[in-house]
Amino acid sequence: QQQVRQSPQSLTVWEGETAILNCSYEDSTFNYFPWYQQFPGEGPALLISIRSVSDKKEDGRFTIFFNKREKKLSLHITDSQPGDSATYFCAASEGTQVVGQLTFGRGTRLQVYA
Amino acid sequence: EAAVTQSPRSKVAVTGGKVTLSCHQTNNHDYMYWYRQDTGHGLRLIHYSYVADSTEKGDIPDGYKASRPSQENFSLILELASLSQTAVYFCASSDARDEQYFGPGTRLTVL
Repeated sequence: QQQVRQSPQSLTVWEGETAILNCSYEDSTFNYFPWYQQFPGEGPALLISIRSVSDKKEDGRFTIFFNKREKKLSLHITDSQPGDSATYFCAASEGTQVVGQLTFGRGTRLQVYA
Repeated sequence: EAAVTQSPRSKVAVTGGKVTLSCHQTNNHDYMYWYRQDTGHGLRLIHYSYVADSTEKGDIPDGYKASRPSQENFSLILELASLSQTAVYFCASSDARDEQYFGPGTRLTVL
């Protein structure tokens, strides 16, 4: 059973548009949700994260919206750039587990066309 | 600059052979992890460690062993490599703040 689900599997947007990547989870004890960005041939890199006490986290063009009741979150990338083309992973962890034991979704592959 | 390095970057192994993947971090982090990534899947946790000389099983430990001889080094060992273990393997480190720093990965092909 997938604990963390992402949709869509792939997404194509034009430069300047807003890309919306979705994530949902099963375990109500999850309280930390990082998003990782991965370029081909590289390891994932932390992009932005949110804790369940917040419903929104913003960092430049990247914003996470979090709905605890529905166990859903989304990553919005405004003014998308070709350099944002990558795979984005939503992950989750639960505070009483060993710190950092993350459960990852399968990723959303984003393509931004100029 | 803090970093996680992995060696080798790619490896071809024969079925039934022994494979050791190495990871080294200069982040001064206590926690280290091994993940595998398969096409179309996210990362799945194999083993992790929160102190030298101690390792813990992750979500998919079968067929893998881990070794943490020092804070900086963490190895993943496949005693009898199998075709199903063909994947890209990532090492990561973190401190108590949850943020994990990943290495560049090792592409393992078992023939």
